[in-house]
Amino acid sequence: KNQVEQSPQSLIILEGKNCTLQCNYTVSPFSNLRWYKQDTGRGPVSLTIMTFSENTKSNGRYTATLDADTKQSSLHITASQLSDSASYICVVSREAAGNKLTFGGGTRVLVKP
Amino acid sequence: GAVVSQHPSRVICKSGTSVKIECRSLDFQATTMFWYRQFPKQSLMLMATSNEGSKATYEQGVEKDKFLINHASLTLSTLTVTSAHPEDSSFYICSARGPHVEGPYNEQFFGPGTRLTVL
Repeated sequence: KNQVEQSPQSLIILEGKNCTLQCNYTVSPFSNLRWYKQDTGRGPVSLTIMTFSENTKSNGRYTATLDADTKQSSLHITASQLSDSASYICVVSREAAGNKLTFGGGTRVLVKP
Repeated sequence: GAVVSQHPSRVICKSGTSVKIECRSLDFQATTMFWYRQFPKQSLMLMATSNEGSKATYEQGVEKDKFLINHASLTLSTLTVTSAHPEDSSFYICSARGPHVEGPYNEQFFGPGTRLTVL
């Protein structure tokens, strides 16, 4: 079954601290993996997209890693800011089925001052 | 570039009425648009995929007669919730994919969402 599991479900961090979110997937055949940030009441905004040949990709203070062998990805947030408070969704695209997306449940991050 | 808009952003309607939500790709032509539904504290669930000029493909469990999708142009898709009920209250999000977004990324661009409340 094609699934994307994220952990933790939620976390609270202090402003300025770092955190790492995890994503495990069983989607096959794999096309690419994406991390999105979704603010409350808004649509998802793309942070990174990686194919199986890309191990790491950064977007400002966000750094995503991908291990296609173990089917794991992580999103690292450096020097968190209050505006980082949001849900972070791991999404895997299947090569077949018109690149249909499989969404993880998301990790809700709350950054406190 | 690659901006997707939705209208309205919020709508409240009475039970039994129909509501139309628009999704527009503002700066690219979207051959394929997707409609998602998201309940509180849950992730996005794909409802249907629509290709310009053809009938939408609905996911299992989604009633096509209740959720009417029209993709008449390369920049506009509409979702009409017919005979709305309180359980249809949700956050509806569209995404769009252009004809030239090929290769390994094949990115979808998401709209800001529409909050539907059925009283």
